[in-house]
Amino acid sequence: GEDVEQSLFLSVREGDSSVINCTYTDSSSTYLYWYKQEPGAGLQLLTYIFSNMDMKQDQRLTVLLNKKDKHLSLRIADTQTGDSAIYFCAERSGGYNKLIFGAGTRLAVHP
Amino acid sequence: GAGVSQSPSNKVTEKGKDVELRCDPISGHTALYWYRQSLGQGLEFLIYFQGNSAPDKSGLPSDRFSAERTGGSVSTLTIQRTQQEDSAVYLCASSLSGTTDTQYFGPGTRLTVL
Repeated sequence: GEDVEQSLFLSVREGDSSVINCTYTDSSSTYLYWYKQEPGAGLQLLTYIFSNMDMKQDQRLTVLLNKKDKHLSLRIADTQTGDSAIYFCAERSGGYNKLIFGAGTRLAVHP
Repeated sequence: GAGVSQSPSNKVTEKGKDVELRCDPISGHTALYWYRQSLGQGLEFLIYFQGNSAPDKSGLPSDRFSAERTGGSVSTLTIQRTQQEDSAVYLCASSLSGTTDTQYFGPGTRLTVL
């Protein structure tokens, strides 16, 4: 079945890079997404990658996709306190419209 | 509107009561989704509407849960005879169409069943 897994917690120092990892099981996944959730807020789409790509960069964000290992990562360069949030990895399986989410990684940024 | 809106933002109810949660999608979006986020859990898909097609109800956890979408716009998620395990944040999302378009989420409704 479909499953998405993430580590639950990551702590980084302000100014360092953060790397949040995600693994998924459905090899037919077409799109993979990263969403950010700040306290009391809904989910904000950060970026996404199509399954035929292996890297996508958007300002401070870099997404890497290893389709063979079904591994997705989100790198945030120069992490700031405003980046503190929960980050959700999600996959959209081919032929389906629902997103399958991981449990989320809580990123804590400290001075 | 500018984004997906949901109401109420918070709902506290007693076990056994019925509740209705409302979602207003982004204007022009034909696809609408409901998800549930329980404490410490990821998001769980509940139901999906696309245009005039029959909804995909495959994620509804029991027959106490139902949803409708009137006029292809506003949607209402109804939970009958609420149970404590129904306590969660209910998130609505919409997308331009139901294929590969990005889903945009509302702020959610936090439901607490006492």
